[in-house]
Amino acid sequence: DAGITQSPRHKVTETGTPVTLRCHQTENHRYMYWYRQDPGHGLRLIHYSYGVKDTDKGEVSDGYSVSRSKTEDFLLTLESATSSQTSVYFCAISTGMNTEAFFGQGTRLTVV
Amino acid sequence: GESVGLHLPTLSVQEGDNSIINCAYSNSASDYFIWYKQESGKGPQFIIDIRSNMDKRQGQRVTVLLNKTVKHLSLQIAATQPGDSAVYFCAERGSSYKLIFGSGTRLLVRP
Repeated sequence: DAGITQSPRHKVTETGTPVTLRCHQTENHRYMYWYRQDPGHGLRLIHYSYGVKDTDKGEVSDGYSVSRSKTEDFLLTLESATSSQTSVYFCAISTGMNTEAFFGQGTRLTVV
Repeated sequence: GESVGLHLPTLSVQEGDNSIINCAYSNSASDYFIWYKQESGKGPQFIIDIRSNMDKRQGQRVTVLLNKTVKHLSLQIAATQPGDSAVYFCAERGSSYKLIFGSGTRLLVRP
């Protein structure tokens, strides 16, 4: 998967708890993305990063924050998890705007 | 693995036939498009891309056609094989860095 590692791969957490998902890349790609995938919605962009400390919101950013303190790591944080955030989360990386994005294996998050 | 059961439009084809998967995109300013394949339990996998200054691009057994007039994208798979069974997504990128996905089509290949 193009040198992308997501951790954890599975997580069950309780409503109201904070959760952080990690995306680690070994490709030195500039752009990193977080998506969620739900039935009936396909893949929706949560946040993306176009460089260290440079991030912006996607389509469904409410309830999520991100940080990128170094090129290889992009963290997604749910400050207070809700059941509506139960989903499969995918990280992706790309070298530029008009180049393909490569995806990780995903993280299945269940909020109970 | 990581997969999500989706209530998706489904295309069923006979093994060996050609498949055509269609996608309508939303942003007339989008200038870059990608087709992805997602197998059960895996992340989306890049198939082929096309820039807006082109209307056709060919790969190995796959062809992407772009019609900017009607904002339509299609993926043609020649001689469809059982291993082609998956969910296919188109994605578009506009003036920002965002890559926005369509809702997907499930391809089933009958032996």
